[in-house]
Amino acid sequence: GAVVSQHPSRVICKSGTSVKIECRSLDFQATTMFWYRQFPKQSLMLMATSNEGSKATYEQGVEKDKFLINHASLTLSTLTVTSAHPEDSSFYICSAPTNQETQYFGPGTRLLVL
Amino acid sequence: KQEVTQIPAALSVPEGENLVLNCSFTDSAIYNLQWFRQDPGKGLTSLLLIQSSQREQTSGRLNASLDKSSGRSTLYIAASQPGDSATYLCAVNFGGAQKLVFGQGTRLTINP
Repeated sequence: GAVVSQHPSRVICKSGTSVKIECRSLDFQATTMFWYRQFPKQSLMLMATSNEGSKATYEQGVEKDKFLINHASLTLSTLTVTSAHPEDSSFYICSAPTNQETQYFGPGTRLLVL
Repeated sequence: KQEVTQIPAALSVPEGENLVLNCSFTDSAIYNLQWFRQDPGKGLTSLLLIQSSQREQTSGRLNASLDKSSGRSTLYIAASQPGDSATYLCAVNFGGAQKLVFGQGTRLTINP
């Protein structure tokens, strides 16, 4: 199947700093990618849709100035958590759909804000 | 509101048993439904994708069915193995924009 990578896999940062997470589709192009957030023992919640060449679309309740998304190319989307706080600690996962509509997910990034 | 529900939340069975995981969803006008597996602390692995026009899909020991009229999907696992232990997530694409709404997952444990 298709491969989606994320970097870093784990990051610990101090409160107030910004953290960038990369999502790459390794063997296919993706004009659209999705960013999800998962709290412990809970399901995935969609945060935003990343669109190549245009602005991201955010779900209701997600602060666009807090979670900056840039879809720089057909294989790369980045999520920047700005001025991170402990409540931003979570597991962030990206996904990308192929032409066959199956969605492939990255391995996730665990963020811990101290 | 478009919602996806999975029952049970957790399931523990002996190795070798056949089992069924359930997924229900509001709004029968779905585009497609996908089953995923998630191991602890890991990302998601796609298992099966069922399009709106299909009634079932099979891959190895896995079979997923879709009944839009009743708003249900089931994932059947035959001859379960300890390696099948994981959380299984059902996700529905309601609008064709490829955004997925996830159920809460079923945490499956297969006991040797």
